[in-house]
Parts: sequence; C-alpha cells; structure tokens
Amino acid sequence: EAQVTQNPRYLITVTGKKLTVTCSQNMNHEYMSWYRQDPGLGLRQIYYSMNVEVTDKGDVPEGYKVSRKEKRNFPLILESPSPNQTSLYFCASSPPTNEHTEAFFGQGTRLTVV
Amino acid sequence: AQSVTQLDSHVSVSEGTPVLLRCNYSSSYSPSLFWYVQHPNKGLQLLLKYTSAATLVKGINGFEAEFKKSETSFHLTKPSAHMSDAAEYFCVVSDLLYTGGFKTIFGAGTRLFVKA
Repeated sequence: EAQVTQNPRYLITVTGKKLTVTCSQNMNHEYMSWYRQDPGLGLRQIYYSMNVEVTDKGDVPEGYKVSRKEKRNFPLILESPSPNQTSLYFCASSPPTNEHTEAFFGQGTRLTVV
Repeated sequence: AQSVTQLDSHVSVSEGTPVLLRCNYSSSYSPSLFWYVQHPNKGLQLLLKYTSAATLVKGINGFEAEFKKSETSFHLTKPSAHMSDAAEYFCVVSDLLYTGGFKTIFGAGTRLFVKA
C-alpha cells in the first residue's frame, strides 16, 4: 500500500531535549516536505527536499533541521525543542517536481513540549 | 507573491442542504489549486485539484470546485451535505518555481459543521 509513515504519532517531551520525528514514503517520490499545523494558521511549511541531499527552508524553519540521505526518508530534527514548537506535524511526499500534483500526507505527529 | 484566503473560518449547514466553502488566492504565475479535507485526528486527504485543464473540477464524495481566474477564486461546493462531510477543509495553491521545485501555500482552513 502506498503511504507516508510518520513516527511517533504522539510525543511529549521537555524543553531542550533533542528529538527526531521520522518520515518514510514507499512511493519513490522525489519531493518531500514537513509542515506544522496550528489553529487558525493552516499548515505552514518548515522544510522541503527536492531530492536526495537537496533540502531548503520553507516558511517557518527556525528551530528545525532536516536531512535527506535516502530518497524514502526525511526526518525532522528538533535540536533543542521549546514550548512554541508544540504543534501537529505532517510529512508529505510528491512525485517529480516538474508536475503539479497532489501531496500525500502522513497521519501526523502531535508534539507537546513542556 | 502567493497567498490563499479562506473567507470563512466556520461554516454550518443542515444535512441535505448545499455546501459552499470560499477560497480566494493570489499567485504570480499559473498556479495549481487543490482542496484537501481533514477529518478529526486524521491526516489530509485530497478532494480535488485544478491544473490548467477544465475549470470545473469534480472531486470525491460529490464535491466540485470552479476555477475563476477573473475573480481569483476556487470555491468548493457540494449540492447536498452529509453528516460525514463534517471536517476541516483546506484550500491550497501551488506554483512552479524557477528552480524546478514548487511553492505550496495552505489556507487557514474552514471547519464545516453539519447539523442533523
């Protein structure tokens, strides 16, 4: 089954403790991205990657890192989480970047930083 | 510059009545437009998309949207609401970048309530 898988689905952590949210897709998509969803703001893009070893900042990259060592994986890293990073996070992937096509979303990761 | 404005944060309809969720956008180029739906505690699911083909786009679950370039609108409609349509809906605009990637902007969302 074609899917985007995020782990964990729920995470509570303390301020400053490094964490990683994993994202994996099995559709051989080149384009992957991370979003955060906050009430009244919709989804805002954090980082995106057009291919292996190619990443770029989205609209709200501060406090986040990503890596794209393999095509299927695109982990989101919070080196020193803060309470303002409490949010619902979505990973998404899309086919080749020269096509206007829809994104496939993971189920989301609800992160709480206390 | 891109932007997406969903004109209503909440819409409430009775079951069996029409649904209208409004979306206006701005884009520098020739955008693609999408509507996604998010049910409670679920991920996002594509409802429909416009990519410079027919301006009236039909999607899943009886939804459709019309691309009106002169009005820069992409409103989502359904003739008859069902209880299962209660969810949050996102209008999305996507532009191809000169670098070869694309820039995607989400609207703030419209929460649809359906009354029995």
